[in-house]
Amino acid sequence: DVKVTQSSRYLVKRTGEKVFLECVQDMDHENMFWYRQDPGLGLRLIYFSYDVKMKEKGDIPEGYSVSREKKERFSLILESASTNQTSMYLCASSLPTVVPAEQYFGPGTRLTVT
Amino acid sequence: AQKVTQAQTEISVVEKEDVTLDCVYETRDTTYYLFWYKQPPSGELVFLIRRNSFDEQNEISGRYSWNFQKSTSSFNFTITASQVVDSAVYFCALSDLSGNTPLVFGKGTRLSVIA
Repeated sequence: DVKVTQSSRYLVKRTGEKVFLECVQDMDHENMFWYRQDPGLGLRLIYFSYDVKMKEKGDIPEGYSVSREKKERFSLILESASTNQTSMYLCASSLPTVVPAEQYFGPGTRLTVT
Repeated sequence: AQKVTQAQTEISVVEKEDVTLDCVYETRDTTYYLFWYKQPPSGELVFLIRRNSFDEQNEISGRYSWNFQKSTSSFNFTITASQVVDSAVYFCALSDLSGNTPLVFGKGTRLSVIA
């Protein structure tokens, strides 16, 4: 059974803290993605990665960075958390096929920044 | 630029009713792919279907069916005889031909099926 896991389901952090959200997939997928989901705004892409040590900015990268040191792990970093980063964060992975492949999603991390 | 519009924010139906979720897309590409995902209360998005722009045949999978109409740039999703387990947020998404281009998601439609 394919699996994308995220380190925490719920996380509470203080303003200004450095926050790490971890995502691990066991499907040997090259592509990995980080989205945030907010009511009324749907899913918005933060960063994605096509391979180890590669990263591309998505639609809303400001305030975030990512790290992909191993194929199976894609970390999202909030350098200095702010209250407007309170959100649901979803990680996904997919194969690099010729045509767009389905993305497999993790269960999400609900982050609250106080 | 690509865009996906799901005009229905929330829909509520009584069990066994049929329900259609609308999806309208915008793209300049002649070849593209459309997706539907389901997000149950557990939070994890689940893939339902992928359809390419050259295949306008309707698709049926059990109680689910999809109607793709290029002329109106729509890819609507119908659930027949809805059940409580269908309660979820449903997302429509679009991607161009490149296998590595991220999906563009609509804002989602929250479906509540009441027993």
